[in-house]
Amino acid sequence: EAGVTQFPSHSVIEKGQTVTLRCDPISGHDNLYWYRRVMGKEIKFLLHFVKESKQDESGMPNNRFLAERTGGTYSTLKVQPAELEDSGVYFCASSPLPWSQGTTEAFFGQGTRLTVV
Amino acid sequence: GQQVMQIPQYQHVQEGEDFTTYCNSSTTLSNIQWYKQRPGGHPVFLIQLVKSGEVKKQKRLTFQFGEAKKNSSLHITATQTTDVGTYFCAGGGSWGKLQFGAGTQVVVTP
Repeated sequence: EAGVTQFPSHSVIEKGQTVTLRCDPISGHDNLYWYRRVMGKEIKFLLHFVKESKQDESGMPNNRFLAERTGGTYSTLKVQPAELEDSGVYFCASSPLPWSQGTTEAFFGQGTRLTVV
Repeated sequence: GQQVMQIPQYQHVQEGEDFTTYCNSSTTLSNIQWYKQRPGGHPVFLIQLVKSGEVKKQKRLTFQFGEAKKNSSLHITATQTTDVGTYFCAGGGSWGKLQFGAGTQVVVTP
């Protein structure tokens, strides 16, 4: 069974440009999460999808970030326009049940390392 | 808001020694999970603790959940070079998402 896959693995863009990250969760996992880790800091929650609906987007930093999950399968996270502070590793995770039910682990993708210069 | 704090941030260990990393939450948790991220890799689930005072062991790793369900610890005995990586705790609560700590980066000296 394929795990969570993310594309691209690395992206270097200039300030002001647009970047779109993609996440393919494990097949059948309704719950999809985006997280971001800035060097040396915590893995910070961005948002949570249940199927195609945004369950919680309280962690999205600002309106330059747009996440979608059309059809409830893969998800994209677009940053437009990118700023220097957006650099970090963006992780996607999926789970069959939401973590609020407290009985399921999260399966993480390899992450996308975004560098804004 | 809810916060999960981990100490220490860095841990240099001589091979064969023991060490402990600690996780503290500002609020009561419904469960706590531990993940390990190898250098260049992604977080991989290790274990989940749900009950107050729960202790679980995985070979040389011992995980503990505090009585008040606000703290947890990971103790590794006889550290090996394969233990290198960053260990994250993640607290689950009624807010429906895992709140991760900043991680403890472990470096093992042969």
